[in-house]
Amino acid sequence: GDSVTQTEGLVTLTEGLPVMLNCTYQSTYSPFLFWYVQHLNEAPKLLLKSFTDNKRPEHQGFHATLHKSSSSFHLQKSSAQLSDSALYYCASTGANTGKLTFGHGTILRVHP
Amino acid sequence: EAAVTQSPRNKVAVTGGKVTLSCNQTNNHNNMYWYRQDTGHGLRLIHYSYGAGSTEKGDIPDGYKASRPSQENFSLILELATPSQTSVYFCASGDAGTINQDTQYFGPGTRLLVL
Repeated sequence: GDSVTQTEGLVTLTEGLPVMLNCTYQSTYSPFLFWYVQHLNEAPKLLLKSFTDNKRPEHQGFHATLHKSSSSFHLQKSSAQLSDSALYYCASTGANTGKLTFGHGTILRVHP
Repeated sequence: EAAVTQSPRNKVAVTGGKVTLSCNQTNNHNNMYWYRQDTGHGLRLIHYSYGAGSTEKGDIPDGYKASRPSQENFSLILELATPSQTSVYFCASGDAGTINQDTQYFGPGTRLLVL
């Protein structure tokens, strides 16, 4: 079946350093990929999603590039901020169902 | 922004009791979803719905039932609650403007403790 893998459970960074959170997927077709962010005691919300035309989605300084050859959709940001501390989920869609398959999530902690 | 509300926000139940979690969305989305969130497992889909009267099994449906009586409301029912169902439950509604680009909007979550 479809699956999404986030290899890091916890990433700790110093403010100002670059961020990269890994996401790979397994699917029998070409799914759409998403990143959701969940701040402490809040609901998950969409951060960004892949486009059909291979454009690179960007939001709040974050970007991700869908690489079909390596089945990856890593999340990146050039300079981490304290407010980026949160739980990040990578997710992919199911075939024509609209269902999302989530990875286990990566906690990002940014310290001064 | 989509508005999804859940009730109750916190619930303590006894083993073997019946628990109903309610979800309401005011954005006329066709799709609605129930997830549970547990450390080490992330978000796992329990049941979902494509519209009023429809319910579908997700990835972990055992021990749960769902009901979609209207476009706005989607309930999750635990007929015989067990301690293993202690978790945080999230409801979400889907903006399926284009199939397979379904952005989901989440409610605030319900913390359920089964003793």
